[in-house]
Amino acid sequence: QSVLTQPPSVSAAPGQKVTISCSGSSSNIGNNYVSWYQQLPGTAPKLLIYDNNERPSGIPDRFSGSKSGTSVTLGITGLQTGDEANYYCGTWDSILSAVIFGGGTKLTVL
Amino acid sequence: EVQLVESGGGVVQTGESLRLSCAISGFTFSDYWMTWVRQAPGKGLEWVASINVDGSEKYYVGSVRGRFTISRDNAKNSLYLQMRSVRGEDTAIYYCARDGHSHGVDFDYWGQGTLVTVSS
Repeated sequence: QSVLTQPPSVSAAPGQKVTISCSGSSSNIGNNYVSWYQQLPGTAPKLLIYDNNERPSGIPDRFSGSKSGTSVTLGITGLQTGDEANYYCGTWDSILSAVIFGGGTKLTVL
Repeated sequence: EVQLVESGGGVVQTGESLRLSCAISGFTFSDYWMTWVRQAPGKGLEWVASINVDGSEKYYVGSVRGRFTISRDNAKNSLYLQMRSVRGEDTAIYYCARDGHSHGVDFDYWGQGTLVTVSS
Protein backbone atom coordinates (compact mmCIF):
# COMPACT_ATOMS: atom_id res chain seq x y z
CA GLN A 1 0.00 0.00 0.00
CA SER A 2 1.41 3.35 -1.07
CA VAL A 3 2.07 6.24 1.31
CA LEU A 4 0.51 8.51 -1.32
CA THR A 5 -3.11 7.68 -2.04
CA GLN A 6 -4.53 7.94 -5.54
CA PRO A 7 -7.87 6.66 -6.87
CA PRO A 8 -7.28 3.42 -8.81
CA SER A 9 -9.23 4.66 -11.80
CA VAL A 10 -11.05 7.63 -13.28
CA SER A 11 -12.95 8.05 -16.50
CA ALA A 12 -14.48 10.76 -18.61
CA ALA A 13 -15.65 11.38 -22.15
CA PRO A 14 -13.52 12.92 -24.91
CA GLY A 15 -13.40 16.69 -24.64
CA GLN A 16 -14.31 16.67 -20.98
CA LYS A 17 -12.19 17.48 -17.93
CA VAL A 18 -10.93 15.07 -15.30
CA THR A 19 -9.05 15.49 -12.05
CA ILE A 20 -6.81 12.97 -10.30
CA SER A 21 -6.10 13.40 -6.62
CA CYS A 22 -3.04 12.39 -4.61
CA SER A 23 -3.22 12.52 -0.83
CA GLY A 24 -0.32 12.34 1.60
CA SER A 25 0.88 13.83 4.84
CA SER A 26 3.05 16.57 6.29
CA SER A 27 6.17 14.44 5.88
CA ASN A 28 5.75 14.27 2.13
CA ILE A 29 3.29 16.39 0.14
CA GLY A 30 2.75 18.87 2.96
CA ASN A 31 6.36 20.02 2.98
CA ASN A 32 7.81 18.96 -0.36
CA TYR A 33 7.25 19.62 -4.03
CA VAL A 34 5.28 17.10 -6.05
CA SER A 35 5.65 15.83 -9.60
CA TRP A 36 3.25 13.96 -11.88
CA TYR A 37 4.04 11.34 -14.51
CA GLN A 38 2.10 9.86 -17.41
CA GLN A 39 2.79 6.28 -18.41
CA LEU A 40 1.23 5.20 -21.68
CA PRO A 41 0.79 1.43 -22.12
CA GLY A 42 4.10 -0.31 -22.68
CA THR A 43 6.22 2.83 -22.39
CA ALA A 44 8.41 4.56 -19.83
CA PRO A 45 6.93 7.23 -17.56
CA LYS A 46 6.97 10.82 -18.79
CA LEU A 47 7.18 13.92 -16.60
CA LEU A 48 4.00 15.99 -16.85
CA ILE A 49 4.21 18.37 -13.88
CA TYR A 50 7.04 19.32 -11.54
CA ASP A 51 7.23 21.59 -8.49
CA ASN A 52 3.49 21.09 -7.91
CA ASN A 53 2.25 23.09 -10.89
CA GLU A 54 5.01 23.67 -13.45
CA ARG A 55 4.91 22.09 -16.91
CA PRO A 56 8.08 21.00 -18.74
CA SER A 57 8.49 22.36 -22.22
CA GLY A 58 6.39 20.43 -24.69
CA ILE A 59 3.65 19.53 -22.23
CA PRO A 60 0.38 21.14 -23.37
CA ASP A 61 -1.48 23.49 -21.05
CA ARG A 62 -4.35 20.99 -20.97
CA PHE A 63 -2.38 19.49 -18.09
CA SER A 64 -2.25 21.38 -14.80
CA GLY A 65 -1.25 20.76 -11.21
CA SER A 66 -2.35 22.24 -7.93
CA LYS A 67 -1.62 21.73 -4.26
CA SER A 68 -3.55 22.31 -1.08
CA GLY A 69 -2.12 21.24 2.23
CA THR A 70 -1.24 17.57 2.08
CA SER A 71 -2.99 16.87 -1.22
CA VAL A 72 -2.28 17.60 -4.86
CA THR A 73 -4.45 17.37 -7.92
CA LEU A 74 -3.69 16.78 -11.58
CA GLY A 75 -6.19 18.30 -13.98
CA ILE A 76 -6.59 17.34 -17.61
CA THR A 77 -8.92 19.28 -19.89
CA GLY A 78 -10.03 18.60 -23.44
CA LEU A 79 -9.58 14.87 -22.95
CA GLN A 80 -8.29 12.86 -25.90
CA THR A 81 -8.18 9.12 -26.42
CA GLY A 82 -4.41 9.45 -26.44
CA ASP A 83 -4.54 10.54 -22.80
CA GLU A 84 -5.51 7.02 -21.73
CA ALA A 85 -2.66 6.05 -19.45
CA ASN A 86 -1.61 5.50 -15.87
CA TYR A 87 -0.80 8.65 -13.90
CA TYR A 88 1.50 8.76 -10.88
CA CYS A 89 2.28 11.43 -8.32
CA GLY A 90 5.67 11.47 -6.65
CA THR A 91 7.55 13.36 -3.99
CA TRP A 92 10.17 13.10 -1.24
CA ASP A 93 9.20 11.77 2.18
CA SER A 94 11.23 13.35 4.97
CA ILE A 95 10.52 10.57 7.50
CA LEU A 96 11.22 7.67 5.16
CA SER A 97 14.12 9.57 3.54
CA ALA A 98 12.96 8.19 0.25
CA VAL A 99 11.28 9.19 -2.96
CA ILE A 100 7.72 7.88 -2.94
CA PHE A 101 5.10 7.45 -5.64
CA GLY A 102 1.37 7.10 -5.48
CA GLY A 103 -0.13 3.78 -6.48
CA GLY A 104 -1.18 5.16 -9.84
CA THR A 105 -4.50 6.06 -11.45
CA LYS A 106 -5.70 4.55 -14.67
CA LEU A 107 -7.46 7.09 -16.86
CA THR A 108 -10.05 5.81 -19.31
CA VAL A 109 -11.38 8.13 -21.97
CA LEU A 110 -14.79 6.71 -22.79
CA GLU B 1 18.67 14.88 -28.00
CA VAL B 2 18.70 13.47 -24.49
CA GLN B 3 18.98 9.68 -24.48
CA LEU B 4 19.18 7.15 -21.67
CA VAL B 5 19.66 3.54 -22.73
CA GLU B 6 19.58 0.76 -20.17
CA SER B 7 21.13 -2.65 -20.63
CA GLY B 8 22.10 -5.67 -18.59
CA GLY B 9 18.70 -7.07 -17.72
CA GLY B 10 17.80 -10.73 -18.07
CA VAL B 11 16.94 -13.83 -16.12
CA VAL B 12 18.91 -14.39 -12.93
CA GLN B 13 18.58 -17.00 -10.20
CA THR B 14 17.60 -16.11 -6.66
CA GLY B 15 20.68 -15.10 -4.68
CA GLU B 16 22.79 -14.28 -7.71
CA SER B 17 24.13 -10.95 -8.98
CA LEU B 18 23.49 -8.73 -11.97
CA ARG B 19 24.79 -5.35 -13.09
CA LEU B 20 22.61 -2.91 -14.96
CA SER B 21 24.04 -0.10 -17.05
CA CYS B 22 22.58 3.10 -18.40
CA ALA B 23 24.35 4.91 -21.23
CA ILE B 24 23.69 8.64 -21.34
CA SER B 25 23.97 11.11 -24.18
CA GLY B 26 22.63 14.52 -25.12
CA PHE B 27 23.42 16.37 -21.89
CA THR B 28 26.29 17.02 -19.49
CA PHE B 29 26.02 13.89 -17.37
CA SER B 30 28.22 15.22 -14.59
CA ASP B 31 25.80 18.08 -13.90
CA TYR B 32 22.89 15.88 -12.84
CA TRP B 33 21.85 13.55 -10.06
CA MET B 34 20.67 10.23 -11.45
CA THR B 35 18.17 7.66 -10.25
CA TRP B 36 16.98 4.09 -10.76
CA VAL B 37 13.23 3.44 -10.59
CA ARG B 38 11.67 0.01 -10.98
CA GLN B 39 8.24 -1.32 -11.84
CA ALA B 40 7.17 -4.85 -11.01
CA PRO B 41 4.89 -6.52 -13.59
CA GLY B 42 1.47 -4.90 -13.47
CA LYS B 43 2.45 -2.70 -10.52
CA GLY B 44 3.30 0.92 -9.85
CA LEU B 45 6.57 2.81 -9.76
CA GLU B 46 9.11 2.26 -6.99
CA TRP B 47 12.16 4.42 -6.41
CA VAL B 48 15.27 2.28 -5.96
CA ALA B 49 18.32 4.51 -5.61
CA SER B 50 19.75 7.93 -6.40
CA ILE B 51 23.29 9.25 -6.73
CA ASN B 52 24.63 12.78 -6.69
CA VAL B 53 26.74 14.37 -9.40
CA ASP B 54 30.13 13.05 -8.31
CA GLY B 55 29.03 9.80 -6.71
CA SER B 56 29.82 10.88 -3.17
CA GLU B 57 26.19 10.65 -2.01
CA LYS B 58 23.97 7.63 -2.53
CA TYR B 59 20.46 6.91 -1.32
CA TYR B 60 18.51 3.67 -1.38
CA VAL B 61 15.04 2.37 -0.67
CA GLY B 62 15.11 0.20 2.41
CA SER B 63 14.34 -3.06 0.62
CA VAL B 64 17.56 -2.92 -1.44
CA ARG B 65 19.93 -1.20 0.97
CA GLY B 66 22.95 -3.43 1.54
CA ARG B 67 22.21 -5.52 -1.56
CA PHE B 68 22.24 -2.99 -4.40
CA THR B 69 24.89 -0.40 -5.20
CA ILE B 70 24.37 2.60 -7.45
CA SER B 71 27.43 4.10 -9.09
CA ARG B 72 28.42 6.29 -12.00
CA ASP B 73 31.36 6.92 -14.30
CA ASN B 74 31.22 10.51 -15.48
CA ALA B 75 34.09 9.94 -17.91
CA LYS B 76 32.06 7.23 -19.61
CA ASN B 77 28.67 8.95 -19.27
CA SER B 78 27.33 5.86 -17.60
CA LEU B 79 25.17 4.97 -14.63
CA TYR B 80 25.19 1.54 -13.00
CA LEU B 81 23.18 -0.57 -10.60
CA GLN B 82 24.97 -3.56 -9.10
CA MET B 83 22.39 -5.99 -7.81
CA ARG B 84 23.44 -8.73 -5.37
CA SER B 85 21.53 -11.41 -3.51
CA VAL B 86 18.53 -10.84 -5.74
CA ARG B 87 15.10 -11.98 -4.64
CA GLY B 88 11.85 -12.72 -6.41
CA GLU B 89 10.48 -9.34 -5.42
CA ASP B 90 13.28 -7.67 -7.39
CA THR B 91 11.64 -8.85 -10.62
CA ALA B 92 10.78 -5.65 -12.46
CA ILE B 93 11.53 -3.31 -15.30
CA TYR B 94 14.38 -1.07 -14.17
CA TYR B 95 14.44 2.47 -15.51
CA CYS B 96 17.26 4.95 -15.21
CA ALA B 97 16.11 8.54 -14.94
CA ARG B 98 17.63 11.99 -14.79
CA ASP B 99 16.83 14.18 -11.81
CA GLY B 100 15.54 17.51 -13.04
CA HIS B 101 17.02 20.79 -11.87
CA SER B 102 13.96 21.96 -9.95
CA HIS B 103 13.00 22.76 -6.39
CA GLY B 104 11.68 19.28 -5.69
CA VAL B 105 12.39 15.72 -6.70
CA ASP B 106 11.37 14.98 -10.25
CA PHE B 107 12.65 12.86 -13.10
CA ASP B 108 12.58 14.67 -16.40
CA TYR B 109 14.06 12.04 -18.70
CA TRP B 110 13.71 8.27 -18.56
CA GLY B 111 15.23 5.36 -20.41
CA GLN B 112 13.12 2.66 -22.05
CA GLY B 113 13.83 0.24 -19.21
CA THR B 114 15.47 -3.17 -18.90
CA LEU B 115 13.64 -6.21 -17.55
CA VAL B 116 15.10 -8.21 -14.70
CA THR B 117 13.46 -11.54 -13.95
CA VAL B 118 14.51 -13.40 -10.82
CA SER B 119 13.89 -17.10 -11.10
CA SER B 120 13.93 -19.67 -8.34
